[in-house]
Amino acid sequence: AQTVTQSQPEMSVQEAETVTLSCTYDTSENNYYLFWYKQPPSRQMILVIRQEAYKQQNATENRFSVNFQKAAKSFSLKISDSQLGDTAMYFCAFMNFIIQGAQKLVFGQGTRLTINP
Amino acid sequence: AAGVIQSPRHLIKEKRETATLKCYPIPRHDTVYWYQQGPGQDPQFLISFYEKMQSDKGSIPDRFSAQQFSDYHSELNMSSLELGDSALYFCASEDGTGSLTGNTIYFGEGSWLTVV
Repeated sequence: AQTVTQSQPEMSVQEAETVTLSCTYDTSENNYYLFWYKQPPSRQMILVIRQEAYKQQNATENRFSVNFQKAAKSFSLKISDSQLGDTAMYFCAFMNFIIQGAQKLVFGQGTRLTINP
Repeated sequence: AAGVIQSPRHLIKEKRETATLKCYPIPRHDTVYWYQQGPGQDPQFLISFYEKMQSDKGSIPDRFSAQQFSDYHSELNMSSLELGDSALYFCASEDGTGSLTGNTIYFGEGSWLTVV
């Protein structure tokens, strides 16, 4: 079974700083997907970024980028120019690749990120 | 863009009562997932459906049941409610057909269940 580990329960940075959240995972599969989801105080679960394991290029979405190291099974999220609205719980998640059908997400424990003014 | 719609957003039930949560997936999404998130916890997978058939089961109590209907909406039925069932229940949907937009799961805003 796959496992996802986020070793930083909490992090805090000043507004406009850059912050990196860590995530490691364990799998014997070669094809899979990795995600970062953001859960603000409203508790809504918002997709931040998605990475396909077969792609060597790291995914980016505006101020959000990942450092995907497949051999090391590491998937960190970098938030540049952090904003107050980035304050949230961040979950790293793993999903196996299948051609069709349902394949559940396996979540890490989450990192609570606080952006200070 | 249309999102996953969940109803009700909040409900309060007494112990031993029954509750039903509804989920309307993103249009053209054929796959639905249910997750339960307790206070301070990560979401726990309950059950999934693909093309109206149950696909996988996680840590779903026997008191809970779910189904996906012909229009792809899904309902989670919870009976003999216990205090420990108080949680945020997420429904999520995905295009499971293998298209380019697949393999990404989108969540609804969740349904808050409080059992008193």
